Amino acid sequence: KAGVTQTPRYLIKTRGQQVTLSCSPISGHRSVSWYQQTPGQGLQFLFEYFSETQRNKGNFPGRFSGRQFSNSRSEMNVSTLELGDSALYLCASSPSLGGSTTDTQYFGPGTRLTVL
Amino acid sequence: AQSVTQLGSHVSVSEGALVLLRCNYSSSVPPYLFWYVQYPNQGLQLLLKYTTGATLVKGINGFEAEFKKSETSFHLTKPSAHMSDAAEYFCAVSAFQGGSYIPTFGRGTSLIVHP
Repeated sequence: KAGVTQTPRYLIKTRGQQVTLSCSPISGHRSVSWYQQTPGQGLQFLFEYFSETQRNKGNFPGRFSGRQFSNSRSEMNVSTLELGDSALYLCASSPSLGGSTTDTQYFGPGTRLTVL
Repeated sequence: AQSVTQLGSHVSVSEGALVLLRCNYSSSVPPYLFWYVQYPNQGLQLLLKYTTGATLVKGINGFEAEFKKSETSFHLTKPSAHMSDAAEYFCAVSAFQGGSYIPTFGRGTSLIVHP
């Protein structure tokens, strides 16, 4: 089975722009979570989607949003980029009905976003 | 709010020595507990998890962890370190708060293995 894939792997944007990141979960997994990883704040939970519905949400501003499609693929959008949004964005999928936040997650390699 | 503390941002051991990575959490109710490993330029890989039941949890690559409720700890151990164990290790806790389970990660511990 193919693992979790994330596109693009690297991205450079400028302040004020918006960006969309994509995540394809492992086939059959319906839960997808997103995380932000930075040297300063570490790993932080953004949100989780299950069957096209946001089920859990971390403590991030509304500029961070996401969605999930019927095939479980997910996108994350960041609007009005700030320098502090530079980070590695990780996506994880889970086969469990309990979801990513309480069960085994399978992580993708991440998208490295640099905001200039 | 939930917090996870990993003691020591860097731990250095010799090959063949015991590995001990410490993790303490702040939840007042038993949460879900996880250890992940991250190799350079890769995502995280689950080593082991505790949900309910036996407090000693065995994971992949010879790692194990013990859930101690009274100490709110979930330390990760491996009897004999290999060079291939050099990586970043993250402890994570998922606790029920505000109507849902929110995962919180520790800041990570970089394991350095000397030949």
